[in-house]
This record gives sequence, C-alpha cells and structure tokens, in this order.
Amino acid sequence: GAGVSQSPSNKVTEKGKDVELRCDPISGHTALYWYRQSLGQGLEFLIYFQGNSAPDKSGLPSDRFSAERTGGSVSTLTIQRTQQEDSAVYLCASSVSGSNTDTQYFGPGTRLTVL
Amino acid sequence: GQQLNQSPQSMFIQEGEDVSMNCTSSSIFNTWLWYKQDPGEGPVLLIALYKAGELTSNGRLTAQFGITRKDSFLNISASIPSDVGIYFCAGLHTGNQFYFGTGTSLTVIP
Repeated sequence: GAGVSQSPSNKVTEKGKDVELRCDPISGHTALYWYRQSLGQGLEFLIYFQGNSAPDKSGLPSDRFSAERTGGSVSTLTIQRTQQEDSAVYLCASSVSGSNTDTQYFGPGTRLTVL
Repeated sequence: GQQLNQSPQSMFIQEGEDVSMNCTSSSIFNTWLWYKQDPGEGPVLLIALYKAGELTSNGRLTAQFGITRKDSFLNISASIPSDVGIYFCAGLHTGNQFYFGTGTSLTVIP
C-alpha cells in the first residue's frame, strides 16, 4: 500500500530480551518519527530522522533504546534488555520534509508486550 | 516534557449532539493539531492550526487556535456513530517535537 507500514503488528517478549520494530515510511518522505503510546496516554515522542541529518534522539527514555534509518527509508527501533514498563504501542510516522506544516502520516503501530 | 491537559477524558453522547473538547498548555505553542485514532490504527490528522486566533473547519469539525497560544478546542457538530474514537490534540513550540494530549475518548450512542 501507499501508507506507512510497521511490523510486527504485535510482539510478545520476555523481560530481558531484545526486540526490533520496523517502520516502512511512505516512499519519498524524508522525515520519520517514532512515538510510544502507553495505555490511556497520549503519544510520547522518541526520535526523529530528517534526511541525512543527525537524528533528534532527545525523546529516547534510556540508553536501552536506539533507532536506525538505513538509506533514508526503512527505520528500525531496537529496545535492549526489555522491561515490563516498555510495554506499549510503538507508532511510526513519516512526513514529506519534516516541516511543521507537513502532515505526519502514522502507521498502525506495533503493540509490544513484555512479560 | 511539556504537558498538554486535554479534557474531557471521555464523553458519551447521543447521535446528533454536538461535542466540544479542549487542550490547554502551560507553554506557548506555534502549531496546534487535532488527530483521531481508531482502535488498532495510528492517529489520522483532522485539522491543523498555525496562527493564534485561527478558526478552521473540516466538514462537521471546527477547531480554534487560542489567542493566548496556550489552548485549542475542537467541536464536532451533529455527531454520527463513525465519530467514535479517541481524539488527540498535539502542540509544537519549535523544532520538530510535537507534544500530545492524553486523548478524549468519544462514544456516540445511536
């Protein structure tokens, strides 16, 4: 499809394991965002990629969280040594250029459950 | 981070009624956005506001950027069952980091 896709849609893991979440942005969009949505909460900004610039990592909650964006397209969010409090829906969004007037298009999210 | 207070938390209304929800912030924002999220999906942008005092409509939806730049409201007129969902406000001061409200869950009773 033409929208933002994310995989897997659901991930159940054991505490202490590492997980990788994938985001395929809309083709041609240079800006990519990761957010975390905990139950009953709004979206919490995690990280932002814009073209070849250094990513804005100011929202990452700890050094267990990291993200990469290869070739300016697909992005992977990695959570190492998962904890129960990491359980949430992880949403990815992309926009044309990252301007504050650009619409962010969201993927359906990955629901992560840490047992 | 910045806190956006969104109210009400939830609403149960009869089909055909009008709905109003709002967001307030302790900080000034330069952009206000309103999103709707259906279960199992990502948020979808409804309305974007870029100027203090701006009033913008999108069909039955109307949103305003507060004159103080610290608040915004969203109105839905003549609600229908498909309006059910969670509505989020989001604000941007500078840069690219949007701050989201905690959401208003809307239930429309046919």
